[in-house]
Amino acid sequence: EAGVAQSPRYKIIEKRQSVAFWCNPISGHATLYWYQQILGQGPKLLIQFQNNGVVDDSQLPKDRFSAERLKGVDSTLKIQPAKLEDSAVYLCASSLDAWEEKLFFGSGTQLSVL
Amino acid sequence: GENVEQHPSTLSVQEGDSAVIKCTYSDSASNYFPWYKQELGKRPQLIIDIRSNVGEKKDQRIAVTLNKTAKHFSLHITETQPEDSAVYFCAARITGFQKLVFGTGTRLLVSP
Repeated sequence: EAGVAQSPRYKIIEKRQSVAFWCNPISGHATLYWYQQILGQGPKLLIQFQNNGVVDDSQLPKDRFSAERLKGVDSTLKIQPAKLEDSAVYLCASSLDAWEEKLFFGSGTQLSVL
Repeated sequence: GENVEQHPSTLSVQEGDSAVIKCTYSDSASNYFPWYKQELGKRPQLIIDIRSNVGEKKDQRIAVTLNKTAKHFSLHITETQPEDSAVYFCAARITGFQKLVFGTGTRLLVSP
């Protein structure tokens, strides 16, 4: 079974620039999550999708972060403009549905904002 | 909302010793508690999980215990090996449209 695919693997940008991350979940998984993992900390949920609808985006900094999952499959997370404190690994995860407890993570995108 | 605390932040053991990592959670409605292992530069991988209707679960050298009254759960690794060295995260959630909340992680170092 193919896992959660993410790209790019690494990204280096300067502050105030824009960046976008892409995620393709496991086939058939209705629920998709974006997590932010700052160095030395546990992953923090940014946004959760059920199919193409947003379930929880309470911790998404909406003034600069946006995410979409238009066709209920792959998803894009965007940051515009980036700040130094956005440096982190952005992990995408998926589960069969919101009632399926097991989350499967992608390898993440490591973002460095200079 | 849910809050998960994890201790210790680092743990060093000798190969063959046991290691115990403890977590506490705040929301008594939480009913699912997974543990993830994350090696340097790699994705978090689920190693074991437990639901609130079970007090203990074991999988070879790994076991998890849950005390619902005290709202804490623990990961036990026996006969540790160098390849167990990694960061371990506990997490808690209420099944359904509730987010999985992670602890801050424990860096386990197993010395040969």
